[in-house]
Amino acid sequence: DQQVKQNSPSLSVQEGRISILNCDYTNSMFDYFLWYKKYPAEGPTFLISISSIKDKNEDGRFTVFLNKSAKHLSLHIVPSQPGDSAVYFCAASVGGFKTIFGAGTRLFVKA
Amino acid sequence: SQTIHQWPATLVQPVGSPLSLECTVEGTSNPNLYWYRQAAGRGLQLLFYSVGIGQISSEVPQNLSASRPQDRQFILSSKKLLLSDSGFYLCAWNPTVQETQYFGPGTRLLVL
Repeated sequence: DQQVKQNSPSLSVQEGRISILNCDYTNSMFDYFLWYKKYPAEGPTFLISISSIKDKNEDGRFTVFLNKSAKHLSLHIVPSQPGDSAVYFCAASVGGFKTIFGAGTRLFVKA
Repeated sequence: SQTIHQWPATLVQPVGSPLSLECTVEGTSNPNLYWYRQAAGRGLQLLFYSVGIGQISSEVPQNLSASRPQDRQFILSSKKLLLSDSGFYLCAWNPTVQETQYFGPGTRLLVL
């Protein structure tokens, strides 16, 4: 049972344009959501998070949107840069414990 | 500042051999500790988590086990490796009062 789903295995975007990565979840008890970025053969690095009491959180070029009624969150990267090319994992938890990860979306940013 | 270490970075083991992967965290006390596996082309699967010394919870039944002999040490073990145990193993931690998990560099395990 996949509680966190990233239905797009890959995404290709032109440099300078917006990248939108999507994530859906099924457990309405999730109250904390995170995005991680992962390069090959490295551990994931934390990118940005959002609490269920908010619907938007912004950090530089990265913005996460949360739609609780649709059980959907998205990560926007504007403008996209070639260095953003990586696998992005969506994750969710209840009270910050036992974080559940999606399968990941591989982002390609073309120069 | 806090640091998380994992070793070895890469490991090639024959089927049926034992396994021991170690993870240590520096700069914090009483962290929550986690073991994840990323199989080729797949997401992160939570294997074990621990909220304290000697306290281990298993998420997925398999031939792996975990132990926490010290506050900041988390060990992943197996008595007999299977081919399907190949993957990228990640240790992670978070403080008990925060929610973001921080990951180690990972161990790539290849079982032949």
